Amino acid sequence: AQTVTQSQPEMSVQEAETVTLSCTYDTSESDYYLFWYKQPPSRQMILVIRQEAYKQQNATENRFSVNFQKAAKSFSLKISDSQLGDAAMYFCAFRYGGSQGNLIFGKGTKLSVKP
Amino acid sequence: EPEVTQTPSHQVTQMGQEVILRCVPISNHLYFYWYRQILGQKVEFLVSFYNNEISEKSEIFDDQFSVERPDGSNFTLKIRSTKLEDSAMYFCASRQDGHYGYTFGSGTRLTVV
Repeated sequence: AQTVTQSQPEMSVQEAETVTLSCTYDTSESDYYLFWYKQPPSRQMILVIRQEAYKQQNATENRFSVNFQKAAKSFSLKISDSQLGDAAMYFCAFRYGGSQGNLIFGKGTKLSVKP
Repeated sequence: EPEVTQTPSHQVTQMGQEVILRCVPISNHLYFYWYRQILGQKVEFLVSFYNNEISEKSEIFDDQFSVERPDGSNFTLKIRSTKLEDSAMYFCASRQDGHYGYTFGSGTRLTVV
């Protein structure tokens, strides 16, 4: 069974600085997708960034980028130029390929941003 | 941008009562999902639905739970006899065929008292 591990329950970053949230996963599949979701206090789930396992190039969305290490089964999220609005829970999620795949989430990392 | 709409945003119910949580997925999406998040815990998969039938369900999704797409637009989750431990945030999500990205609704906070 697939598992997703986020080893940092809480992280803190100074405004305008860079922070990296870690995520590892375990799977025997070769075709899968990885996601980072942000959950602010409103508890809505907001997609931050996603990565296809078959792509070697790391995904980037503005200030958010990932470091995808397929052999190590690692998928970390880097937030550059952190803003107060980045404060939230961040969940790493895995989905295997195939039409019916559902998401498997990690336990989350609570990110605080200090002014 | 298209949204997944969930109603109500918050529901309080007595233990043992039936509740129906409603979702309107994005209109051209074909895959539908329910997830739940107990306060302070991770998001857990409940059930996926495709072509008018359940395609996959988790161990959490027991006989007390059911899903339905009654009219081609709504996607509902019914809990027949609620328990205190059903208190959670319930998220609906949908996905377009051929795409792997999910769109989540804003969630329904269910409180069982």
